[in-house]
Amino acid sequence: KAGVTQTPRYLIKTRGQQVTLSCSPISGHRSVSWYQQTPGQGLQFLFEYFSETQRNKGNFPGRFSGRQFSNSRSEMNVSTLELGDSALYLCASSFARLSDTGELFFGEGSRLTVL
Amino acid sequence: EDKVVQSPLSLVVHEGDTVTLNCSYEVTNFRSLLWYKQEKKAPTFLFMLTSSGIEKKSGRLSSILDKKELFSILNITATQTGDSAVYLCAVYTGTASKLTFGTGTRLQVTL
Repeated sequence: KAGVTQTPRYLIKTRGQQVTLSCSPISGHRSVSWYQQTPGQGLQFLFEYFSETQRNKGNFPGRFSGRQFSNSRSEMNVSTLELGDSALYLCASSFARLSDTGELFFGEGSRLTVL
Repeated sequence: EDKVVQSPLSLVVHEGDTVTLNCSYEVTNFRSLLWYKQEKKAPTFLFMLTSSGIEKKSGRLSSILDKKELFSILNITATQTGDSAVYLCAVYTGTASKLTFGTGTRLQVTL
């Protein structure tokens, strides 16, 4: 079955703009999590959505937001972009809320560059 | 605040060598520890460990967890160039329902 699909794969924005990233989870998976990956900080948790509700949020400013649709697809939005937002944004899905397995299936990410 | 620390940050070995990667953690409500391999973009799942002292094996890779000392190791024997990647350790905590990742160990295997 198809894996986690993220679009766009690459994008370049300028400071002050906003961006929307999309994630389609594995069919049947209801939980979608977002992570930001930078060379210095590694993977940092942004938020988790399950059944269209945000269940958990990481320590990021309010400029970072997301949502999940009834088909489990998710989007994340970053407004008023800053240079420090340049990163690889990874989406991951799991069947239920992170279960006892804690296993996530990752997409290939959207690489955002802010100039 | 939950913390996961990996060491070394990077290492270069020759093909055929054996390597040991380390992961220590300080978290509340530990549920499981996971290892991922990230070659280019998407991290891929390697192991999940929940119980101390039980080794998980997959081919040349193996991992074990010590819940008393709060660490895990990932061993790779007879390394190959295809093992070159960043290896990520993550801890799942039931309270926050999220994975806390270490910054990773970058492994380069040379001929």
